[in-house]
Amino acid sequence: AQSVAQPEDQVNVAEGNPLTVKCTYSVSGNPYLFWYVQYPNRGLQFLLKYITGDNLVKGSYGFEAEFNKSQTSFHLKKPSALVSDSALYFCAVREGDSSASKIIFGSGTRLSIRP
Amino acid sequence: SQTIHQWPATLVQPVGSPLSLECTVEGTSNPNLYWYRQAAGRGLQLLFYSVGIGQISSEVPQNLSASRPQDRQFILSSKKLLLSDSGFYLCAWSRQAGPYEQYFGPGTRLTVT
Repeated sequence: AQSVAQPEDQVNVAEGNPLTVKCTYSVSGNPYLFWYVQYPNRGLQFLLKYITGDNLVKGSYGFEAEFNKSQTSFHLKKPSALVSDSALYFCAVREGDSSASKIIFGSGTRLSIRP
Repeated sequence: SQTIHQWPATLVQPVGSPLSLECTVEGTSNPNLYWYRQAAGRGLQLLFYSVGIGQISSEVPQNLSASRPQDRQFILSSKKLLLSDSGFYLCAWSRQAGPYEQYFGPGTRLTVT
């Protein structure tokens, strides 16, 4: 069965510094990987996804993620953090592309950017 | 472009009362539809998903039910609410087959008192 893990409940970064939010996954076939962001009392917003091809995926708001097949990881990164990046971040994996395949979400990582 | 709506935005209901939350999607046809519950601002629990009108799959046995009376309408219901039904309810849609992401609605905050 597919699964996804976010090992850090919280990540604290100073504004202007690079940030990384970690994600590892487990699937039996080819993974489709996603990152979402959630601001307080809002729905999740899609940031980026990896399907195939280039291991470095660029997304919204200056975020990017690096797919590493050997380490089964898909870490979210940003070169220079903003205070407005403070939010809850979810990694997700979808195994297969049939209409019945579901997306499994990680438990979330709270990112806090201090001024 | 596609949009997804949920209402109401907030709801306070007494224990034992019925529930009906509605989700509608615009700008696409034959989407997959999903209901999630999020407790304490943390992880998401998939409650129901639907791949077509009248087709509902339940992920966990519980006090809730779902229906899809129209292609782009998804309803979450309960006959008698429990305190444990409190939470943040999120509806989402995705395209059918393919490596497609889900898009989420703004959510409904339900407090059962």
